[in-house]
Amino acid sequence: QKEVEQNSGPLSVPEGAIASLNCTYSDRVSQSFFWYRQYSGKSPELIMSIYSNGDKEDGRFTAQLNKASQYVSLLIRDSQPSDSATYLCAVISDYKLSFGAGTTVTVRA
Amino acid sequence: EAEVAQSPRYKITEKSQAVAFWCDPISGHATLYWYRQILGQGPELLVQFQDESVVDDSQLPKDRFSAERLKGVDSTLKIQPAELGDSAMYLCASSQGRRETQYFGPGTRLLVL
Repeated sequence: QKEVEQNSGPLSVPEGAIASLNCTYSDRVSQSFFWYRQYSGKSPELIMSIYSNGDKEDGRFTAQLNKASQYVSLLIRDSQPSDSATYLCAVISDYKLSFGAGTTVTVRA
Repeated sequence: EAEVAQSPRYKITEKSQAVAFWCDPISGHATLYWYRQILGQGPELLVQFQDESVVDDSQLPKDRFSAERLKGVDSTLKIQPAELGDSAMYLCASSQGRRETQYFGPGTRLLVL
């Protein structure tokens, strides 16, 4: 079983819609959770970090964490063509950051 | 804004040759990481340094890969000899501590022919 799993893509949404990305992790004692955005051919760029159960909002992005269900999600509101990228879920467990395979999002104009 | 620096950005080499990548972390970041990312997959940790010490190299293919961070600042990752399967993006990241947010450099894209 992979340590971090993301919903399979690609995900295509119309401009202005909400994109919903999901991630589950296997290590129950994980404490730190991150979402990175990666444009094609570029390196990962941090979007959000979340450490406590509940929601965390930053502009058009909302991260949700449910430690009991071992589940992290990212919502992108009012999706823009510039949001078209691969989104990586990452989890720190035992001092090691593990990544999911990523979900590719395409925002249709 | 402080950034992680990496060089070269692109490297093309022939199999059996030696290659080296360099990374300069964000100033003050004690922890430095090297990752390998194969197309379509998430980054995978190769080696983690805390200051000048290796704290995790469990996924580093030690028969051909080596990494050092002699003065606890910049770092070099070497592959000798390179194999076709080493073609990938090599990413360096740094953080203030081992459980802190990691920031990535631009990466080095390696192509082995």
